[in-house]
Amino acid sequence: NAGVTQTPKFRILKIGQSMTLQCAQDMNHNYMYWYRQDPGMGLKLIYYSVGAGITDKGEVPNGYNVSRSTTEDFPLRLELAAPSQTSVYFCASSLLGLNTGELFFGEGSRLTVL
Amino acid sequence: QQQVKQSPQSLIVQKGGISIINCAYENTAFDYFPWYQQFPGKGPALLIAIRPDVSEKKEGRFTISFNKSAKQFSLHIMDSQPGDSATYFCAASRTQGGSEKLVFGKGTKLTVNP
Repeated sequence: NAGVTQTPKFRILKIGQSMTLQCAQDMNHNYMYWYRQDPGMGLKLIYYSVGAGITDKGEVPNGYNVSRSTTEDFPLRLELAAPSQTSVYFCASSLLGLNTGELFFGEGSRLTVL
Repeated sequence: QQQVKQSPQSLIVQKGGISIINCAYENTAFDYFPWYQQFPGKGPALLIAIRPDVSEKKEGRFTISFNKSAKQFSLHIMDSQPGDSATYFCAASRTQGGSEKLVFGKGTKLTVNP
């Protein structure tokens, strides 16, 4: 049981490039989330999904896109990377959302945009 | 607008001492208050959580104290150990009404000296 798996763990992008951060969970969780973590700033919600085919914006969605074609996968797409997107990105999942009391996080993807 | 204010930013405690981290929130609709623990290079993991119908919750050496009238809650770590050295995040959410937006504090880096 791997839990939440994120790839890649590290990536360097040039300004204007695009890429996709992959997230997969094997716990059959309905809810999935993408957060970004900047030093001293806590975690901020980018997008979330309550089930396959359903996504919604969080606090900081600009510059990102998501899709949820299956229960297991929730990729995050960065279009036209900017230095402000340098951050550590965490994917998380939950069985029934926040009412269950726990988000399960992956180990993060560290992205640098130069 | 930061909805959950966490202090202190960093904390150094001797082994065996008590670590106290405080959080204050603004939105009176919040009804779920978890604490997450994060070790370097890892994703956050749920440590303990409380709902506003109780004033205190204890799990082992970890206790949450909740003051609804003051809109404050705190984490107490008794008999702190070097293995407790990590970053701690408080968070808050309104679980009713379908919101999936867990708002995090900025984090407290705890160092427990041996």
